[in-house]
Amino acid sequence: AQSVTQPDIHITVSEGASLELRCNYSYGATPYLFWYVQSPGQGLQLLLKYFSGDTLVQGIKGFEAEFKRSQSSFNLRKPSVHWSDAAEYFCAVGAGDKIIFGKGTRLHILP
Amino acid sequence: DGGITQSPKYLFRKEGQNVTLSCEQNLNHDAMYWYRQDPGQGLRLIYYSQIVNDFQKGDIAEGYSVSREKKESFPLTVTSAQKNPTAFYLCASSIGGRTEAFFGQGTRLTVV
Repeated sequence: AQSVTQPDIHITVSEGASLELRCNYSYGATPYLFWYVQSPGQGLQLLLKYFSGDTLVQGIKGFEAEFKRSQSSFNLRKPSVHWSDAAEYFCAVGAGDKIIFGKGTRLHILP
Repeated sequence: DGGITQSPKYLFRKEGQNVTLSCEQNLNHDAMYWYRQDPGQGLRLIYYSQIVNDFQKGDIAEGYSVSREKKESFPLTVTSAQKNPTAFYLCASSIGGRTEAFFGQGTRLTVV
């Protein structure tokens, strides 16, 4: 069955520190992978996507993600976080005719 | 501006009543989706539609109904059969299956 696992429910980092959010997926075919961000009470905004080609993809707001087929992972990274990055982050996989989401990771930023 | 519009932003319902959430898109997308979001649960798929006049149940369809009479519109009805309807509801659309989805701003439904 298709699924997405985000093992960290909450992550806290200091402003200016680097960030990595983990995502593992289960899907039999070549996956389409996404990362979204959500501010409280708002909809989701697409950060980046992977369909094929270069396994390191760049997104908006300075985020990047790396697809590793051997590990079934699509981890999100940012070299230096800003206080405005505090939000909830969702990894998703395009599976057949639908999109399946993980349960999310809430990012907290320490000043 | 192209986008997805959900209305209303906040909705209150008495127990035993049906209520309909609106979702309209002007992106010319074929696919539309309804998700329910509860704290710690992520987004769970309620219903989705790939073309007009056709839709499929998602993982938690019980107590919900939808229609897709127009490409631009995909309303969701929360029926009295839904035992715990208080949640944040998100509508999304995409060009087709597996491609990135674009989301509305959500409707927060509260049963009073």
